[in-house]
Amino acid sequence: LAKTTQPISMDSYEGQEVNITCSHNNIATNDYITWYQQFPSQGPRFIIQGYKTKVTNEVASLFIPADRKSSTLSLPRVSLSDTAVYYCLVGSYNTNAGKSTFGDGTTLTVKP
Amino acid sequence: GAVVSQHPSWVICKSGTSVKIECRSLDFQATTMFWYRQFPKQSLMLMATSNEGSKATYEQGVEKDKFLINHASLTLSTLTVTSAHPEDSSFYICSAPGGGRDGAFFGQGTRLTVV
Repeated sequence: LAKTTQPISMDSYEGQEVNITCSHNNIATNDYITWYQQFPSQGPRFIIQGYKTKVTNEVASLFIPADRKSSTLSLPRVSLSDTAVYYCLVGSYNTNAGKSTFGDGTTLTVKP
Repeated sequence: GAVVSQHPSWVICKSGTSVKIECRSLDFQATTMFWYRQFPKQSLMLMATSNEGSKATYEQGVEKDKFLINHASLTLSTLTVTSAHPEDSSFYICSAPGGGRDGAFFGQGTRLTVV
């Protein structure tokens, strides 16, 4: 499973756009990139998943360059409730989804 | 959407006793489930893969005789921490693979405190 590198922490203010970048230089051809959010004392929650280019859903966008060696999670107009740890994972799409190597994650703190 | 439910959410037990944690897939079948452990301020660490109808596979360094995993049905996996000690106190989380573009489904976690 590919190793990922993220910033340990980030601070932002309410209403701002937050971009969290993840490096995964050894990503394999069949690996997908998945981002999770975790609040204290809760299990991780799926945010978004992508393979290449750009993916957007109701909560976030995921930007993946052509070489796929990095990805950027974009959270538009964050609020205080977005304060959490965000994990970037890479792995195969189906069977191994869930068998994941979690890196240190990025602790996002949103301030008023 | 698919939900994975863990029970109990928290448990306190005495040192030397055993504790069972249940992980259920509520509206889908999961032939495979995963168990993680998370210590305070740390990331999730994969402990083992639970396979329905067969033995679990454990990650390196995880004692299989201490952390007993049973996956007796397509919707239930259990983790039993045997002869628990204070150092086993942690947050235990299970997950099941998602079938589509939803990544994995994680349970809400179980906070185990051994006193």
